[in-house]
Amino acid sequence: AQSVTQLDSHVSVSEGTPVLLRCNYSSSYSPSLFWYVQHPNKGLQLLLKYTSAATLVKGINGFEAEFKKSETSFHLTKPSAHMSDAAEYFCVTQGTGRRALTFGSGTRLQVQP
Amino acid sequence: DTAVSQTPKYLVTQMGNDKSIKCEQNLGHDTMYWYKQDSKKFLKIMFSYNNKELIINETVPNRFSPKSPDKAHLNLHINSLELGDSAVYFCASSQEGFTGELFFGEGSRLTVL
Repeated sequence: AQSVTQLDSHVSVSEGTPVLLRCNYSSSYSPSLFWYVQHPNKGLQLLLKYTSAATLVKGINGFEAEFKKSETSFHLTKPSAHMSDAAEYFCVTQGTGRRALTFGSGTRLQVQP
Repeated sequence: DTAVSQTPKYLVTQMGNDKSIKCEQNLGHDTMYWYKQDSKKFLKIMFSYNNKELIINETVPNRFSPKSPDKAHLNLHINSLELGDSAVYFCASSQEGFTGELFFGEGSRLTVL
């Protein structure tokens, strides 16, 4: 079964500095991987997805993620954090043969002024 | 127009009561889901319906019963509520072919006293 592990439960950055949210995956074959964002008291929104077409995936709001098979990682990055980026971020993979997603434990991103 | 809407947004009730949460999507999607998010923000699939047919039923107590009167609606009824049922319940939908992009409602926060 596929699974993901988010390495940090909480990340704090200053506005204008880079963001790095780490995610490792576990899969015996090429996985489908996603990043979702949840702003306070809101539903989740898809940021980006990897489906083996390209290893560097660009998403919304300036976020991108790189699939690295050798490191089994799918880290989320952004060159310059904005206050509006403060939210909970989930690394997600797809359950085998099912129309369902398996979520990581989440990383709370805090952006300091 | 809200794409995926859930009601009520907040629900406070006593142990032993029965309650329902309603979900409607106007995206024309054929698959709908219920996810549960616990106090640690962990998200887990509960049920999934495809064109009114149950396709995913995770290990959920049978006090929880989903009902899909048509493909635009998926309701969740909970009998004999327990303290451990306190959580945020998210409804979501996805289009045919499942690309991994789920559209989430804003959640229904259930508090059992």
